[in-house]
Amino acid sequence: DGGITQSPKYLFRKEGQNVTLSCEQNLNHDAMYWYRQDPGQGLRLIYYSQIVNDFQKGDIAEGYSVSREKKESFPLTVTSAQKNPTAFYLCASSMSGGGWNTEAFFGQGTRLTVV
Amino acid sequence: AQSVTQPDIHITVSEGASLELRCNYSYGATPYLFWYVQSPGQGLQLLLKYFSGDTLVQGIKGFEAEFKRSQSSFNLRKPSVHWSDAAEYFCAVGAGNDYKLSFGAGTTVTVRA
Repeated sequence: DGGITQSPKYLFRKEGQNVTLSCEQNLNHDAMYWYRQDPGQGLRLIYYSQIVNDFQKGDIAEGYSVSREKKESFPLTVTSAQKNPTAFYLCASSMSGGGWNTEAFFGQGTRLTVV
Repeated sequence: AQSVTQPDIHITVSEGASLELRCNYSYGATPYLFWYVQSPGQGLQLLLKYFSGDTLVQGIKGFEAEFKRSQSSFNLRKPSVHWSDAAEYFCAVGAGNDYKLSFGAGTTVTVRA
């Protein structure tokens, strides 16, 4: 079945450590996104990528980094510079072209907790 | 840039009653509008979308939404709510050739027996 797979579902991190969240899609989508979700704040865009080897900062990119070496994969690293990393992280993908094709398909999310 | 407002943070509705969730957007041209639903601890599932044409769109799970350009609104409705409709609902807007979607803060729906 086609879809987006995020792993792990739950992740615990000690303060000062970097951690990487995985996102893989087999929908053949060009565009991929990372969102952060906090209660009462909806979804905020961290990074997005329209094509392999290219990505842009979203609204809250500070303390995060990404790579896009393969079309199928868009891992997110939460660095120690992120002051408040505890949140629910959602990965999404969409076809290229914008507009109508911005219909996003979401993974099941990763809940990151700093301990 | 486009933006979305969902005025209602939380709505409680009785099972079998009707439901309407409000969504207002800000964008200078014709937007692309979406409604998503999220169950606790899960990802988002697309309910319906509007691009052009008929301003009343039908979606999955018995939901529909109406685009009103004059009011910059895209309200979601369901005639008779089931307990399984308890979830968080997000309105989103896309615009032009911009790849990004802008999401509202969400509305949590509680269904009472």
